[in-house]
Amino acid sequence: GAGVSQSPSNKVTEKGKDVELRCDPISGHTALYWYRQRLGQGLEFLIYFQGNSAPDKSGLPSDRFSAERTGESVSTLTIQRTQQEDSAVYLCASSTSGGEYQETQYFGPGTRLLVL
Amino acid sequence: DQQVKQNSPSLSVQEGRISILNCDYTNSMFDYFLWYKKYPAEGPTFLISISSIKDKNEDGRFTVFLNKSAKHLSLHIVPSQPGDSAVYFCAASRNSGYSTLTFGKGTMLLVSP
Repeated sequence: GAGVSQSPSNKVTEKGKDVELRCDPISGHTALYWYRQRLGQGLEFLIYFQGNSAPDKSGLPSDRFSAERTGESVSTLTIQRTQQEDSAVYLCASSTSGGEYQETQYFGPGTRLLVL
Repeated sequence: DQQVKQNSPSLSVQEGRISILNCDYTNSMFDYFLWYKKYPAEGPTFLISISSIKDKNEDGRFTVFLNKSAKHLSLHIVPSQPGDSAVYFCAASRNSGYSTLTFGKGTMLLVSP
């Protein structure tokens, strides 16, 4: 079946512009995560959605970052007034649930963002 | 403060030999550990996991060992194959209830023919 897809695969933008990144999770996966990986670093958790519950936004680095998810489908991560330090690979992952046990997270290929 | 550390940024191994990738953690609340493998331009893919109630989990050529007292885990790949060349990320979480994954910086493994 189809895996997690993300678009665009690459994005180059100018400092100060807004960008929107999209994630399509695996059908039926109720949990959706956003991470970012800056050069030479591990993956940093950004935000987590689980069904209709309030999202866990504890990883968002600033108020310029926001994300939305409609039901159990597509999610968009928006970065306003981009800065050069926002340059990173933004990864989306989904899993069957964020319930009692840790479920395997399946990752998309990522969006490579470069802020000039 | 890094809670999951992979101190070796890279490792080179010959085909057929054993690859040992190491990971240390500092948060004693972590009780579930995973290894992910990442090829260039692809997202990480799940490889193997271990719960803190075990000290070893094996899946084919891949074995993960957990030493809770030392807060250390390792991934053994034997025999190593050129297709294993990738970046390997160690991740940790709490298994009880929802918990995000905390990742290390990764170790790049190169298996030469």
